[in-house]
Amino acid sequence: EAQVTQNPRYLITVTGKKLTVTCSQNMNHEYMSWYRQDPGLGLRQIYYSMNVEVTDKGDVPEGYKVSRKEKRNFPLILESPSPNQTSLYFCASSLSVGDEQFFGPGTRLTVL
Amino acid sequence: EDQVTQSPEALRLQEGESSSLNCSYTVSGLRGLFWYRQDPGKGPEFLFTLYSAGEEKEKERLKATLTKKESFLHITAPKPEDSATYLCAVGSSNTGKLIFGQGTTLQVKP
Repeated sequence: EAQVTQNPRYLITVTGKKLTVTCSQNMNHEYMSWYRQDPGLGLRQIYYSMNVEVTDKGDVPEGYKVSRKEKRNFPLILESPSPNQTSLYFCASSLSVGDEQFFGPGTRLTVL
Repeated sequence: EDQVTQSPEALRLQEGESSSLNCSYTVSGLRGLFWYRQDPGKGPEFLFTLYSAGEEKEKERLKATLTKKESFLHITAPKPEDSATYLCAVGSSNTGKLIFGQGTTLQVKP
């Protein structure tokens, strides 16, 4: 089944404790992206990657890191999480930039 | 600046009462306009892509149309299972980004 998977689905952590949210897709898509979704602010793009080893900042990249060492994986790293990063996070992928994106199920992160 | 605005923010309909959702956009180099459906706590589910003014696409009770400045999602004779948040997004060929509107939350009552 073609899909985007994220792990973990739910995470509660404390300020400053480094964490990684994994994202994997099995559709051989070149383009991958991370979003956060907050009430009243909608979906905002954090980082995106047009291909392996190519990443770029979205609209809200501060406090996040990403890497794209393999085509299928695009982990999101929070080196020192803060409470304002409490949010619902989505990973998405598409065949190429500008094509329809397929979203993962989401990761609900709470930073205390 | 690339921007997407959706209206209304919320819409309540009776079952069978047709209506339309609006998506207005400004973008530098339209790569495509996308409609998604999102259920609470879940990831957005892709519905349609429109690429050029005048284009229309249909799926069951939904029909999407596109002009140079806006898109409409028409819902004909909706059912309670159509209740969801509908998101509009535009892809920019200049920036490679996908810019989302804030969505319209639709509630269809039986």
